[in-house]
Amino acid sequence: DIVMTQSPDSLAVSLGERATIKCKSSQNVLSSSNNKNYLAWHQQKPGQPPKLLIFWASTRESGVPDRFSGSGSGTDFTLTISSLQAEDVAVYYCQQYYGTPFTFGQGTKLEIK
Amino acid sequence: QVYLEESGGGVVQPGRSLRLSCAASGFTFSNYGMHWVRQAPGKGLEWVAFISNDGSNENYVDSAKGRFSISRDNSKNALYLEMNSLRGEDTAVYYCAKDLGTVTSGLFGYWGQGTLVTVSS
Repeated sequence: DIVMTQSPDSLAVSLGERATIKCKSSQNVLSSSNNKNYLAWHQQKPGQPPKLLIFWASTRESGVPDRFSGSGSGTDFTLTISSLQAEDVAVYYCQQYYGTPFTFGQGTKLEIK
Repeated sequence: QVYLEESGGGVVQPGRSLRLSCAASGFTFSNYGMHWVRQAPGKGLEWVAFISNDGSNENYVDSAKGRFSISRDNSKNALYLEMNSLRGEDTAVYYCAKDLGTVTSGLFGYWGQGTLVTVSS
């Protein structure tokens, strides 16, 4: 199984500041056949189901604000929120869809400082 | 507008069975792979099972193999999860999730609100 490890477990950032979350996979999730990274980021606000933010490591889902960006390749990935807004308070999960079982990171809880 | 609504959760004794349902609307259900993903109270997300668009392919997390069965009825736009021999560690909110596209499996594009399953005597 591919193990996804996020850091940090929790993060407090001031409004308007940058937030950075890391995700590391235990195996490469970059496909040699299509040169795509099978890595997604999901946001889960309190009391709500998760919501897809980013897929293929760096493609924003429709309607996601452009302050959210994803980067990385292979085994190391980053989710960046360029200017934190109050509505961004949530738990963020990275997830690989390279192969089954599809696996998630343990989550990073993002709060306002 | 994609809409997924789970039902069937509740309190069940260890060793008993439960069947979850997910009603889908707003998209051509028969074109998409579907999943169940669960979240234990206060914990992270765990993928449970997948079924292909035509029901010909299924896949399960190891802890569900032999106990859970995913199925679908494309004529009713419905997804199911039959859960047998339930254990305390199966206690979780169970989400129905839809693949984002028709080609790649495991990219959860839409999620339902979830239904809570509590396994307790």
